[in-house]
Amino acid sequence: GNSVTQMEGPVTLSEEAFLTINCTYTATGYPSLFWYVQYPGEGLQLLLKATKADDKGSNKGFEATYRKETTSFHLEKGSVQVSDSAVYFCALKDTGFQKLVFGTGTRLLVSP
Amino acid sequence: NAGVTQTPKFQVLKTGQSMTLQCAQDMNHEYMSWYRQDPGMGLRLIHYSVGAGITDQGEVPNGYNVSRSTTEDFPLRLLSAAPSQTSVYFCASSTGSSTNEQFFGPGTRLTVL
Repeated sequence: GNSVTQMEGPVTLSEEAFLTINCTYTATGYPSLFWYVQYPGEGLQLLLKATKADDKGSNKGFEATYRKETTSFHLEKGSVQVSDSAVYFCALKDTGFQKLVFGTGTRLLVSP
Repeated sequence: NAGVTQTPKFQVLKTGQSMTLQCAQDMNHEYMSWYRQDPGMGLRLIHYSVGAGITDQGEVPNGYNVSRSTTEDFPLRLLSAAPSQTSVYFCASSTGSSTNEQFFGPGTRLTVL
């Protein structure tokens, strides 16, 4: 079945550091890939997405590239801010389906 | 647009009590779903609906019922609450395309004593 694997957290960084959160997936079809972010006490918000191989999703300085050959969708940001502290979820939707399959989430803590 | 709304925001139940978590969306989305979020487990799908009158089970449906009488509303019923149902519950909705995002409500934090 479909699954998503994320790196364990928490990831602790200083402000302006480079961020990578790893995400790999297993899917039977050609999934769309998503990164969601959850700020403390809130629901999930879409951060970025990519719907086919080699697509790059980007938003708010975050980027992720859909790599079919390595079945990966790693999240990166060049310079994190304290306000980026949140939990980040990688997720996929397989072709023709609506169901989202989530990874377990990675907590990011950014200190000044 | 209000988006996806959920009520209540917090709830405490005793074991064996029943209750309904409300979810509504005003975006005319066909697809709606309920997830529970537990530490270290990510979000797990409880039930989903692809349109009014159509519901199906997700990954963890036991102990929960749903119905979808209108496009807008998708309530989740706990028939006899158990401590294992202590969790944060999220409702989400989306259009019919698998490339589109799901929009999430703010969540309901449920504690069962």
